[in-house]
Amino acid sequence: AQSVTQLDSHVSVSEGTPVLLRCNYSSSYSPSLFWYVQHPNKGLQLLLKYTSAATLVKGINGFEAEFKKSETSFHLTKPSAHMSDAAEYFCVVSYGGATNKLIFGTGTLLAVQP
Amino acid sequence: DAMVIQNPRYQVTQFGKPVTLSCSQTLNHNVMYWYQQKSSQAPKLLFHYYDKDFNNEADTPDNFQSRRPNTSFCFLDIRSPGLGDAAMYLCATSRKSMNEQFFGPGTRLTVL
Repeated sequence: AQSVTQLDSHVSVSEGTPVLLRCNYSSSYSPSLFWYVQHPNKGLQLLLKYTSAATLVKGINGFEAEFKKSETSFHLTKPSAHMSDAAEYFCVVSYGGATNKLIFGTGTLLAVQP
Repeated sequence: DAMVIQNPRYQVTQFGKPVTLSCSQTLNHNVMYWYQQKSSQAPKLLFHYYDKDFNNEADTPDNFQSRRPNTSFCFLDIRSPGLGDAAMYLCATSRKSMNEQFFGPGTRLTVL
């Protein structure tokens, strides 16, 4: 069975400092992994995805994530936080197949302090 | 731009009064999904359509129904909303050859 664990429910950083949002997955086969971001009262926006190509994935807005099979991790990072990065972040694994059902982590709320 | 559109963005209904939420897409994706998201929680899949084939999640209440009259449109019907149905409802689309889903902006449902 596939599952996703986001290790921190809340992360607070200062503007200009690095961001690290942690995610571990469990999958019986090679997964597709995603990070989505959700700003208040908005839908989910895809930040980046891993689909068995390069292990270091670059996304939008300066975010990137590294797929580490040995650690079953897919942590999201950004070198320098911006105020506009404050949002909820979801790590997601896909079943794949015809219907692409998603398994969501519980989310990490990122706060950025001025 | 190709996109997923949800109307209305905010919906207020009364306890027990049927309500319909709308989703349309210009992406020509064959899979459409409805999620319920309560405050500070991850989205929860209610059901999805693969083309015209309807797939209900095992724990989706009977109170929730869906219709997909054509490729572009999908509706979520809540027959008798309860206070516990107040949530954000998200529509998403995908295509068979893709992995990710594309989400609409959501409809925030308030039940009075």
